[in-house]
Amino acid sequence: AQSVSQHNHHVILSEAASLELGCNYSYGGTVNLFWYVQYPGQHLQLLLKYFSGDPLVKGIKGFEAEFIKSKFSFNLRKPSVQWSDTAEYFCAVRVSGGYNKLIFGAGTRLAVHP
Amino acid sequence: GAVVSQHPSRVICKSGTSVKIECRSLDFQATTMFWYRQFPKQSLMLMATSNEGSKATYEQGVEKDKFLINHASLTLSTLTVTSAHPEDSSFYICSANPESAASTDTQYFGPGTRLTVL
Repeated sequence: AQSVSQHNHHVILSEAASLELGCNYSYGGTVNLFWYVQYPGQHLQLLLKYFSGDPLVKGIKGFEAEFIKSKFSFNLRKPSVQWSDTAEYFCAVRVSGGYNKLIFGAGTRLAVHP
Repeated sequence: GAVVSQHPSRVICKSGTSVKIECRSLDFQATTMFWYRQFPKQSLMLMATSNEGSKATYEQGVEKDKFLINHASLTLSTLTVTSAHPEDSSFYICSANPESAASTDTQYFGPGTRLTVL
């Protein structure tokens, strides 16, 4: 069965630090990849997505992610985090022919201290 | 942008009662909606895919007689937790895909409904 692994459950950073959140998936076929963010008390919002083309994807709020097919990875990065980035981040995969259903990772809770 | 609403946002009920949760796409039509369950500090687990005008597709391990899903229109899907028990207490989240071909790739999520069964 397909699965998504997020290696970091909790990350604590100071403002201006760089961020990288790991995401690996297990599926050998074509996938679409997503990062969603859930700010405290809010609903899930799409940060960025990869379908095809340039494996380096830029999203909102300065986030980017790189799809490395050989590593089955889609890590999320941001060069300089802000206090307002405090949230939970979810990586998700949609497999081809999967009726558009998403498989989510366990999530990474990011706390940014001023 | 596409907006999905859920009602109620919170509900507390007694064990044995049934609870209905509504999911609405406010500014787009959605042929497909999804229902997720999120346990504390855990990820979203897909429960079922709701298809307008047809039966829902349930994920393995999800009791379809306990979690009744109805998708009667292109803007409304409902999840009814029947004979709720304390172990059904959870955060239920719906999402929807816009019907238009250009945007069927992205799911838009509702704010969730926190169910507490006493």
